[in-house]
Amino acid sequence: QLVLTQSPSASASLGASVKLTCTLSSGHSDYAIAWHQQQPEKGPRYLMKLNSDGSHSKGDGIPDRFSGSSSGAERYLTISSLQSEDEADYYCQTWGTGIWVFGGGTKLTVL
Amino acid sequence: EVQLLESGGSLVQPGGSLRLSCAASGFTFSSYAMSWVRQAPGKGLEWVSGISGSGGSTYYADTVKGRFTISRDNSKNTLYLQMNSLRAEDTAVYYCAKSATNAEFQDYWGQGTLLTVSS
Repeated sequence: QLVLTQSPSASASLGASVKLTCTLSSGHSDYAIAWHQQQPEKGPRYLMKLNSDGSHSKGDGIPDRFSGSSSGAERYLTISSLQSEDEADYYCQTWGTGIWVFGGGTKLTVL
Repeated sequence: EVQLLESGGSLVQPGGSLRLSCAASGFTFSSYAMSWVRQAPGKGLEWVSGISGSGGSTYYADTVKGRFTISRDNSKNTLYLQMNSLRAEDTAVYYCAKSATNAEFQDYWGQGTLLTVSS
């Protein structure tokens, strides 16, 4: 079964960096994922597609502060030089034939 | 600029029906798969249904299969979600989303429309 696992919460200080993790279920470690950001009271926003080899392609207007990397079944989103507007929920997503799956989301708090 | 504008959300009684619409602009609508994704109050994102660019292929989450029907009118650049036999657990904000090339992930999202199922 295709499942994505995310930690429910994370926190980091203004100006610092944070690395969020999304873990693919067993047997799916070669899957690509997408990262999405959802700021409070807003619709989601696509950030990037992240491949198993760590290569990634970002959405329109996504700052260089956002980057992705991969290791085995884990997919990472790193946000550097944290700003207050980065405080949001972050969701990973993957897909198969006729199915799309989201992780439970990580709530990022910027201290 | 890609724009997706959902409409049709409302308060509906359990067992009732409702149709959501999503007006799309800024891209060649018929060339892209589309999806509906929902978010229950205080919860995460849940994919609900998807449809190919031509409309010939449709997909549903198990939680809505047999109750919801996705469709599109490419002449009107509009996506629909017909929802029947509504339950309290269908209460959520429903987002319309455009799929990227090859119908992989969603690369553009609307602002959502709220469905409340309650007596």
